[in-house]
Amino acid sequence: EVQLVESGGGLVQPGGSLRLSCAASGFTFSDHYFDWVRQAPGRGLEWVGRSRDKAHSYTTEYAASVRGRFSVSRDDSKKSFYLQMSSLKTEDTALYYCVRSTYGYGAFEIWGLGTMVTVSS
Amino acid sequence: DIQMTQSPSSLSASIGDRVTITCRASQGITNELGWYQQKPGKAPKRLIYSVSSLQSGVPSRFSGSGSGTEFTLTISSLQPEDLATYYCLQHQGFPHTFGQGTKLEIK
Repeated sequence: EVQLVESGGGLVQPGGSLRLSCAASGFTFSDHYFDWVRQAPGRGLEWVGRSRDKAHSYTTEYAASVRGRFSVSRDDSKKSFYLQMSSLKTEDTALYYCVRSTYGYGAFEIWGLGTMVTVSS
Repeated sequence: DIQMTQSPSSLSASIGDRVTITCRASQGITNELGWYQQKPGKAPKRLIYSVSSLQSGVPSRFSGSGSGTEFTLTISSLQPEDLATYYCLQHQGFPHTFGQGTKLEIK
């Protein structure tokens, strides 16, 4: 079964750091791009960042709202994707989804269940 | 950035109705447009990709169309399980951007 499972969410103070992980199973991890998409409570969806695959040099992209504070990475040998978050702000409070895309096949085809990040003092 | 304006923001329809949701892009996009369904308390699910391609396993009552700056999701005959919020997404450029969402209620 194709699956993405996020972990690492929790409560953190403003200015703090947190690392989210996404464990993949049921498919060839290295063939795909991965993104983080977040959803603040009661709000819509916001794309956060992307890591492309080895064929595209593992290049990354970020939303302006997180650029310089967040960093995406991946470990193909562990079938895992990560989001390192620093200098967290209250407005980063959201459910963070790990999402898979396949080059040439549209975007965001498979979603995890999400992990909740709450930034509060 | 490409802005996606989705309408309506909410709608109420009866079982069997034909439902149409529209997204307008702030600039022309090619075929990099998808539609997503999010049921209450659940993760989003892709329904349509590349404007009009139906995701495997999605019922054929869902369809997508459009070109340029205007795109449409149509549900041909509304079913009770279609209660959800629907989002469009453009992924032609970065940042990828979603519409604001359309909350669909069943009368």
